[in-house]
Amino acid sequence: AQSVAQPEDQVNVAEGNPLTVKCTYSVSGNPYLFWYVQYPNRGLQFLLKYITGDNLVKGSYGFEAEFNKSQTSFHLKKPSALVSDSALYFCAVRTSGSARQLTFGSGTQLTVLP
Amino acid sequence: GAVVSQHPSRVICKSGTSVKIECRSLDFQATTMFWYRQFPKKSLMLMATSNEGSKATYEQGVEKDKFLINHASLTLSTLTVTSAHPEDSSFYICSARLAGVSSEQFFGPGTRLTVL
Repeated sequence: AQSVAQPEDQVNVAEGNPLTVKCTYSVSGNPYLFWYVQYPNRGLQFLLKYITGDNLVKGSYGFEAEFNKSQTSFHLKKPSALVSDSALYFCAVRTSGSARQLTFGSGTQLTVLP
Repeated sequence: GAVVSQHPSRVICKSGTSVKIECRSLDFQATTMFWYRQFPKKSLMLMATSNEGSKATYEQGVEKDKFLINHASLTLSTLTVTSAHPEDSSFYICSARLAGVSSEQFFGPGTRLTVL
């Protein structure tokens, strides 16, 4: 079985400061990892993914994430937060197995304070 | 990225009526579509997975007779909530995926269902 943990329900950061949203995963086999962002009453928007290759993945809106196999983590980061980054962030994992279903974390509400 | 649309964006209905939600992949053919339910400030709960031309696979605890899913074409899937009740009120999100091992899922904007 695959699972994702987002240990923080809420992350607050001041505008201009770096932000980190944490994610750890558990899968059998090689993981495919994703980050999505959700604004109020909207669907999920894709930010970035790790499939293979470089451990540091760059995505939309200046976000990046680092795949760490030994720590089974895929934390989302941004060097300088914007107020408009305030949203709900989901980490997700799946494998290359036949089911290939995404399993989502519980979500982290990011609030960037002006 | 690829675009997935949902219609309607919000619907209010009376208890006992049925509601149909459409999900379309606008610029690609989706071999697989997913339906999720999301409660306020909660994660997405996968309800069912559908492949074009075949019956949907429902997750444990999801009533297939209550949540009818049809995936008649590579660009359209529908979710019908039959005999809706207030506890069915939720945010329903569909997702579509291209074929391919590394393909990501694209999500629709969601449908807010309120059952009075």
